[in-house]
Amino acid sequence: GEDVEQSLFLSVREGDSSVINCTYTDSSSTYLYWYKQEPGAGLQLLTYIFSNMDMKQDQRLTVLLNKKDKHLSLRIADTQTGDSAIYFCAESTLNTGGFKTIFGAGTRLFVKA
Amino acid sequence: EPEVTQTPSHQVTQMGQEVILRCVPISNHLYFYWYRQILGQKVEFLVSFYNNEISEKSEIFDDQFSVERPDGSNFTLKIRSTKLEDSAMYFCASGGDTFGSGTRLTVV
Repeated sequence: GEDVEQSLFLSVREGDSSVINCTYTDSSSTYLYWYKQEPGAGLQLLTYIFSNMDMKQDQRLTVLLNKKDKHLSLRIADTQTGDSAIYFCAESTLNTGGFKTIFGAGTRLFVKA
Repeated sequence: EPEVTQTPSHQVTQMGQEVILRCVPISNHLYFYWYRQILGQKVEFLVSFYNNEISEKSEIFDDQFSVERPDGSNFTLKIRSTKLEDSAMYFCASGGDTFGSGTRLTVV
């Protein structure tokens, strides 16, 4: 079945860039997402990219998609302590049942002051 | 910005009891979803709902689970006889990518 894999932890210093990587298996993905989850909170949609795009930039966030390798990355520029959270990569495919979204296990980002 | 609202934020229930988790999705969306996240694990798809019926469900969504949209506004997930392993965060989603803040269900 479909799967999304991402590394579990990333630690960076405040002010540095963070790069969180993700791989997925479903070649028919329509959208790819990055969600942020702070402790005890819900899933906040950070950004998404259509599967026919290579890159999307949104303020401090840059998403890169390599469709051939099924690799997605999220770069956070000038990482702040408030960026500490779990970041979920997710891929979504549109079928007769609507959008079915498969999530990775999440990457816990630690930002050191 | 439109948002998905879930109530309650936290529910504690005794094993074997029925629970109903409530969601108010975004009004002009057509598809609604429930996902769950067991503590420390992945977010897992449970069910999608379109045009007042289930359009897809996962193997997790067994006979103990049901969904309905009773009044055209609320979207509910019912667990008929809760088990300890049902303890999780349950997320409602609307339109495919907008999630509520979740209901933490604790079965004791």
